[in-house]
Amino acid sequence: GAGVSQSPRYKVAKRGQDVALRCDPISGHVSLFWYQQALGQGPEFLTYFQNEAQLDKSGLPSDRFFAERPEGSVSTLKIQRTQQEDSAVYLCASSPAPGSGRETQYFGPGTRLLVL
Amino acid sequence: GQNIDQPTEMTATEGAIVQINCTYQTSGFNGLFWYQQHAGEAPTFLSYNVLDGLEEKGRFSSFLSRSKGYSYLLLKELQMKDSASYLCASYNFNKFYFGSGTKLNVKP
Repeated sequence: GAGVSQSPRYKVAKRGQDVALRCDPISGHVSLFWYQQALGQGPEFLTYFQNEAQLDKSGLPSDRFFAERPEGSVSTLKIQRTQQEDSAVYLCASSPAPGSGRETQYFGPGTRLLVL
Repeated sequence: GQNIDQPTEMTATEGAIVQINCTYQTSGFNGLFWYQQHAGEAPTFLSYNVLDGLEEKGRFSSFLSRSKGYSYLLLKELQMKDSASYLCASYNFNKFYFGSGTKLNVKP
């Protein structure tokens, strides 16, 4: 079946521009995670949804970052007034059950954001 | 965040065995994952440990010691396609923490 998809795959933004990154999780997956991965680093947790509820947003680096999952499926990560330090790969992952740490996360291919 | 420590880079020969170590913080710990990530691609799941001991899955095995906050990933019969980054991730206090990854170079 289809895996996790993300769009766009690549995004170049001018500093100060707003961007929206989309994630389509595997159908029926309850949990959805957003991560930020800088070059040569591991993924860093941004936020977690269980269905439409955003249960943890402690990893969002500033109030310029906002995520939503209004119908419990597709999610959007929005970054307002982008800065150069926002340049990274943004990964989305989903898992079939509520997050208990025991479920495998299935990652999408990521959106590579470059802020000039 | 939680400190996950793993070597930055390792090199091994095709057909050999390599062990990638990982240490993590034990407070609030409830699971340890290993992922493989080829350059420019998404991480893919390799293994999961929550109890002490060795989990074997084909050429890959993973070991966990909860008391020591230590895990390793063992790759046997290395193949060229195993060249990738290997990410250790721990689940602590209901959150996933990833290490920076170990870049494995497999040479002919």
